[in-house]
Amino acid sequence: KNEVEQSPQNLTAQEGEFITINCSYSVGISALHWLQQHPGGGIVSLFMLSSGKKKHGRLIATINIQEKHSSLHITASHPRDSAVYICAVRSGATNKLIFGTGTLLAVQP
Amino acid sequence: GEEVAQTPKHLVRGEGQKAKLYCAPIKGHSYVFWYQQVLKNEFKFLISFQNENVFDETGMPKERFSAKCLPNSPCSLEIQATKLEDSAVYFCASSQLSDNQPQHFGDGTRLSIL
Repeated sequence: KNEVEQSPQNLTAQEGEFITINCSYSVGISALHWLQQHPGGGIVSLFMLSSGKKKHGRLIATINIQEKHSSLHITASHPRDSAVYICAVRSGATNKLIFGTGTLLAVQP
Repeated sequence: GEEVAQTPKHLVRGEGQKAKLYCAPIKGHSYVFWYQQVLKNEFKFLISFQNENVFDETGMPKERFSAKCLPNSPCSLEIQATKLEDSAVYFCASSQLSDNQPQHFGDGTRLSIL
């Protein structure tokens, strides 16, 4: 079993829909990253959080440390949101990241 | 610079040849991390540095992989005697000297071993 699990693996949505991607982890962490990877391959860090909730534009990330679970929400989704969304946890004393397997999101116009 | 700069973007090598990848971290960032992405989304941690010192090398294959971060030079990841299985995208990330700082990723180097 992977230490970081994401669901769903694939998600297709219509433009304007509210989207939720989930991440569960089984290790102790100091922080959790949500990353976005576009087809070109570059990785953008969307959020880093260790508690509570963060919001940036149409993106909201939440984390529940007790339940070892985080969610990424996208409100009013748009085709340009189409990408792979990756949950990665910072674990251990050396801050290395352990990655989930990603969620491929396709938003159709 | 204000971005993590990785070169080259693409590197093609024949099996058995050497491959060397470079990473210039964001100015002022003390930590550098190397990750390997194989297949779709399987990321593997390789090695990290705190300035020029190896910080964590638990992910490095010992036999053919080596890495350095020397003062006033880009960090490097070198693979000797490459194998087909080394084909992957190699990402470098850097962060500031604090537990509360995120890692910033470069665009990666796509290594293809033929």
